[in-house]
Amino acid sequence: QKEVEQNSGPLSVPEGAIASLNCTYSDRGSQSFFWYRQYSGKSPELIMSIYSNGDKEDGRFTAQLNKASQYVSLLIRDSQPSDSATYLCAVVNTGGFKTIFGAGTRLFVKA
Amino acid sequence: NAGVMQNPRHLVRRRGQEARLRCSPMKGHSHVYWYRQLPEEGLKFMVYLQKENIIDESGMPKERFSAEFPKEGPSILRIQQVVRGDSAAYFCASSLAGDTGELFFGEGSRLTVL
Repeated sequence: QKEVEQNSGPLSVPEGAIASLNCTYSDRGSQSFFWYRQYSGKSPELIMSIYSNGDKEDGRFTAQLNKASQYVSLLIRDSQPSDSATYLCAVVNTGGFKTIFGAGTRLFVKA
Repeated sequence: NAGVMQNPRHLVRRRGQEARLRCSPMKGHSHVYWYRQLPEEGLKFMVYLQKENIIDESGMPKERFSAEFPKEGPSILRIQQVVRGDSAAYFCASSLAGDTGELFFGEGSRLTVL
């Protein structure tokens, strides 16, 4: 079992729609969860962090965390073509010494 | 530019040569992480360092790879006797504190082994 699993996609949504990205993790003791965005050929950029169960909203982005199910998700409302990128789910392992990344989900937003 | 600086951005080596990748963390950051990314794959953790200390090197291959973060100067990832399978993008990230996943990444160093 991979430590952090994501559907590789690609996920294709029309402009203006809601994009839903999902992630599961195996380390039950993890306490910190992140979403990074990576454009093709570029470096990852942190877009959301979440530490407590429930929802956290920031502009068009909403992160959701369910520790009991070991599940993290990212919703992007009013998707724009500029949102087309790979989204990486990241989890800090128990002990906090390293951040483990999923393989990423490729998102395409069609104009 | 106060961001994470990596150099070289692109490096070409022949099999058997050495590759040295450098990383200067963001100003005020003393925690440095190295990740490797193969095409169409996620980031694989390699090593976490603080000044003069290796904290976690559980992702480093046992042979040919080493990393350091001296008291003065940048962090260096060294790959000896490179093989074609070492071709990848190597990203450095830094953070303000060591127990956070809030990482700031450099632009990466893309190693090609001929």
